[in-house]
Amino acid sequence: GDSVTQMEGPVTLSEEAFLTINCTYTATGYPSLFWYVQYPGEGLQLLLKATKADDKGSNKGFEATYRKETTSFHLEKGSVQVSDSAVYFCALRYNFNKFYFGSGTKLNVKP
Amino acid sequence: NAGVTQTPKFRVLKTGQSMTLLCAQDMNHEYMYWYRQDPGMGLRLIHYSVGEGTTAKGEVPDGYNVSRLKKQNFLLGLESAAPSQTSVYFCASSYSAQREQYFGPGTRLTVT
Repeated sequence: GDSVTQMEGPVTLSEEAFLTINCTYTATGYPSLFWYVQYPGEGLQLLLKATKADDKGSNKGFEATYRKETTSFHLEKGSVQVSDSAVYFCALRYNFNKFYFGSGTKLNVKP
Repeated sequence: NAGVTQTPKFRVLKTGQSMTLLCAQDMNHEYMYWYRQDPGMGLRLIHYSVGEGTTAKGEVPDGYNVSRLKKQNFLLGLESAAPSQTSVYFCASSYSAQREQYFGPGTRLTVT
């Protein structure tokens, strides 16, 4: 079945370090892919998305490329800040009621 | 513009008790959703609604009921709570099927 697998956390980095959070997916069709971020005490917020193969989503310095050949959608940022500390969720969607989320990766950024 | 709000934020129930979680949105969205989030797992869809007066089952609907009597509100009910329903519940809404979902802050429910 369809599923999303992302790296377990927590991931602890120093400020200005390079970030990669791995996400791979299993899908029977051609889903859209998403990264959501959840700050402490808040709901999930859409960070970026890609709707077809080779699309690159980007927002707030974060990037992810929809790789159909490797079924991956890894999240990257060149220089993290303390304010990026949060839980990050990878997700895939076929339509409004077929939404699959990964288990989340907690990021801690130290000053 | 409050976005998506959820009431209550925290609740502790005893096995067999009932309760209703309220979700409200002020963005005039047609679509609303209820998810549960469990440790080590992503969000799973419980029920959803594509408009006022409509509801449908998601991935894990057993033990829950929902109602959408008003466009802006989506209620999630537990008739007889079980410890397996201990979780964090998130409500979300979207303007259409293709548009972004906006999430509420969550309700942490513990069933003892």
